[in-house]
Amino acid sequence: AQSVAQPEDQVNVAEGNPLTVKCTYSVSGNPYLFWYVQYPNRGLQFLLKYITGDNLVKGSYGFEAEFNKSQTSFHLKKPSALVSDSALYFCAVRDMGHSGGGADGLTFGKGTHLIIQP
Amino acid sequence: NAGVTQTPKFQVLKTGQSMTLQCAQDMNHEYMSWYRQDPGMGLRLIHYSVGAGITDQGEVPNGYNVSRSTTEDFPLRLLSAAPSQTSVYFCASSYSARQMNTEAFFGQGTRLTVV
Repeated sequence: AQSVAQPEDQVNVAEGNPLTVKCTYSVSGNPYLFWYVQYPNRGLQFLLKYITGDNLVKGSYGFEAEFNKSQTSFHLKKPSALVSDSALYFCAVRDMGHSGGGADGLTFGKGTHLIIQP
Repeated sequence: NAGVTQTPKFQVLKTGQSMTLQCAQDMNHEYMSWYRQDPGMGLRLIHYSVGAGITDQGEVPNGYNVSRSTTEDFPLRLLSAAPSQTSVYFCASSYSARQMNTEAFFGQGTRLTVV
């Protein structure tokens, strides 16, 4: 079985400071990893994904994420936070070896509320 | 390009009523799915479809039915609404069920309250 953990329900960061939203995963094989963002009363929007190759992945709105296989982590980062980054962030994982028994195999974490204070 | 369109955006039902949540995508995606989002629980998969005429159950299918008669549409039916089905429902689509590295596109959600 695969799982995703987002250990922080909420992260508070001052505007202009760097931010990190943590994600760890568990899969039996190799992972495909995704970050999505949800603004209030909106659907989820894709931010970035790790498939293979470079461990540092760059995505939309200046976000990036670092894949660390030994720590089974995929933390979301941004060098300088904006108030407009305030939203709910979801990490999700698919097992590359998934055979389709569980749909597309996409498992989401519970989400982390990111609050950027002016 | 509309992407994934869900209707209605808001709905209040009485216990025991039935209704259909509509979902349509215009990206010719093979794969479509329905999730429910509850506070502190993330997104949980209800039903999914890997193509027209093919559907299957996800993590929390009880009380819901789906069908996929066309590539574009994937309606979710609540058979007899219960207060436990109060939630926000999201429809999602992705290019192919076989290409596991593609991202999902989400609709804007339907906020359902069952009283």
